[in-house]
Amino acid sequence: GQGVEQPDNLMSVEGTFARVNCTYSTSGFNGLSWYQQREGHAPVFLSYVVLDGLKDSGHFSTFLSRSNGYSYLLLTELQIKDSASYLCAVSWPNYNVLYFGSGTKLTVEP
Amino acid sequence: EAAVTQSPRNKVTVTGGNVTLSCRQTNSHNYMYWYRQDTGHGLRLIHYSYGAGNLQIGDVPDGYKATRTTQEDFFLLLELASPSQTSLYFCASKEGTGGPSQNTLYFGAGTRLSVL
Repeated sequence: GQGVEQPDNLMSVEGTFARVNCTYSTSGFNGLSWYQQREGHAPVFLSYVVLDGLKDSGHFSTFLSRSNGYSYLLLTELQIKDSASYLCAVSWPNYNVLYFGSGTKLTVEP
Repeated sequence: EAAVTQSPRNKVTVTGGNVTLSCRQTNSHNYMYWYRQDTGHGLRLIHYSYGAGNLQIGDVPDGYKATRTTQEDFFLLLELASPSQTSLYFCASKEGTGGPSQNTLYFGAGTRLSVL
């Protein structure tokens, strides 16, 4: 639902950064969430954004552009343990239903 | 931290079998959800509910029934299981509508179902 698209894979290096992209259909948008899912575990909430711009939460930051149907999750000072899948979810048609992208698997190398 | 418990954790059945997946949340959240997760598709919404006795249809409801018997309990029923329903099933709960503090999904640990 809502055409939530994410790249399948992303690789980066420990100590640097990684940007996980997400695009979605803009009609009826009610907010966007990011979840982290480690292999064999359930998704865990990271961030929710509904206003344009960058939301800085330290290790994780999120950017949203509603007019472009685009968001990214920025991870800085990467650690090996940041290796996980990162899921983008759009709330549509109201706050109560979340449609997920297929997730981006981030691999952090030494 | 909200607690969402799913059972069983693993289930194997045969084609045509009858399966019930259970989910209980202990934080009195209004909303509960059933998702399935498959490689290449991500999490897909099957059914959800905003209270006891309520049921809403998600994106992929075919072949699934669900029932919310109490505020805490939400069940997913596969009455004639098929191999295409082999998947990892997640239950989740959410407090309610409104701002970010009420918009977080809390997931159970998942049930891995195999239909042979």
